[in-house]
Amino acid sequence: NAGVTQTPKFQVLKTGQSMTLQCAQDMNHEYMSWYRQDPGMGLRLIHYSVGAGITDQGEVPNGYNVSRSTTEDFPLRLLSAAPSQTSVYFCASSYGAYTEQFFGPGTRLTVL
Amino acid sequence: SQQGEEDPQALSIQEGENATMNCSYKTSINNLQWYRQNSGRGLVHLILIRSNEREKHSGRLRVTLDTSKKSSSLLITASRAADTASYFCATDAQTEPGNQFYFGTGTSLTVIP
Repeated sequence: NAGVTQTPKFQVLKTGQSMTLQCAQDMNHEYMSWYRQDPGMGLRLIHYSVGAGITDQGEVPNGYNVSRSTTEDFPLRLLSAAPSQTSVYFCASSYGAYTEQFFGPGTRLTVL
Repeated sequence: SQQGEEDPQALSIQEGENATMNCSYKTSINNLQWYRQNSGRGLVHLILIRSNEREKHSGRLRVTLDTSKKSSSLLITASRAADTASYFCATDAQTEPGNQFYFGTGTSLTVIP
């Protein structure tokens, strides 16, 4: 199993550009989440999903959209990138609510 | 925010010594989890302790939970250089439909060979 995969590993955007961070898992997990990690802030939950077709907002959802059309994929969209979105983004999945989360390797995003 | 707080922020010890880090949180939880993050990598799950448990062991790891004080501790015994990493506690938001976690700011552990 590949586990949780994320692409790209690195990305540089200009302010106002849009992009999609990809996340996929091959463990048939129902639960998936997106986090951002900033220095000194720990990880903060952006959006999460409890199954295909079901998503909800986390702690810091503004500026991000998500959708979950399949169990395997959970893309994160930045519609109009801002410098404040410069961060490292992690996708995670788990088989149940409040169980062990499996994390991807992260995407390091810089917005100029 | 229900974000947990780890203490200390940074810890440096000699190989073979024990390392203890603490986590405090704000509201009731279903369970508390500890994760490790090596530099530039994703987080790796270490251990989960449920709210009705007081202590749990896994190899060289020992976790305690005191729900009355809303705190947890992670003890790593006989530390090794490979234990050098950041350690995070994560608490759940106890909301439906679930899967909302709050992570602390982490303890950076350095184990000196």
